[in-house]
Amino acid sequence: QVQLVQSGAEVKKPGASVKVSCKASAYTFTNFYIYWVRQAPGQGLEWMGRIDPSDGSTSYTQNFQDRVTMTRDTSTSTVYMELTSLTSDDTAVYYCARSASSWGWFDPWGQGTLVTVSS
Amino acid sequence: EIVLTQSPGTLSLSPGERATLSCRATQSGRTNSLAWYQQKPGQAPRLLIFAASSRATGIPDRFSGSGSGTDFTLTISRLEPEDFAVYYCQQYGRSPYTFGQGTKLEIK
Repeated sequence: QVQLVQSGAEVKKPGASVKVSCKASAYTFTNFYIYWVRQAPGQGLEWMGRIDPSDGSTSYTQNFQDRVTMTRDTSTSTVYMELTSLTSDDTAVYYCARSASSWGWFDPWGQGTLVTVSS
Repeated sequence: EIVLTQSPGTLSLSPGERATLSCRATQSGRTNSLAWYQQKPGQAPRLLIFAASSRATGIPDRFSGSGSGTDFTLTISRLEPEDFAVYYCQQYGRSPYTFGQGTKLEIK
């Protein structure tokens, strides 16, 4: 079945960067967009941006556009999300999710990656 | 940015009862571009409803979505024990795609 498998939990110090991976399987990787959504502890869902794996084009939300970079590796069907200049406010679970278009619902989601920022 | 407001914040019901969850948008985007997700503790969100009223694959027919414009509703006709979770609505009709703050459905 279609699956998105993310990399494991990370602990980072303030000011550092983190790179989370999302490996897709059981579908044509380049036919679907990948979105990134984060969820701070006990909070709601916040969309960060998306990448089109077919050409690597990206779109980031205003809250993250200066600090986030999304890339893809078509040879391994993997998408990466790198977030720089981390602060404690970036402590959250980061999810990748698939969508059929540049506007669409998200299905399925990866299992999530907990990023903890602490000195 | 479209802001989604979900109500109530918490809904306390018993198994077998009917649940009605509301999602109101500050403006309308692309027609009926609204989805509902279910999230259980420690799990990723799961798609229930897309295009306001279409059930995702494998979702039981006790889940239904309705509404248009700026007012949308998720109805669970007869609650099963596994339905107690947090539910989020999401609009994907106008970027940035935003989520509501969630409704927690708890056992009474």
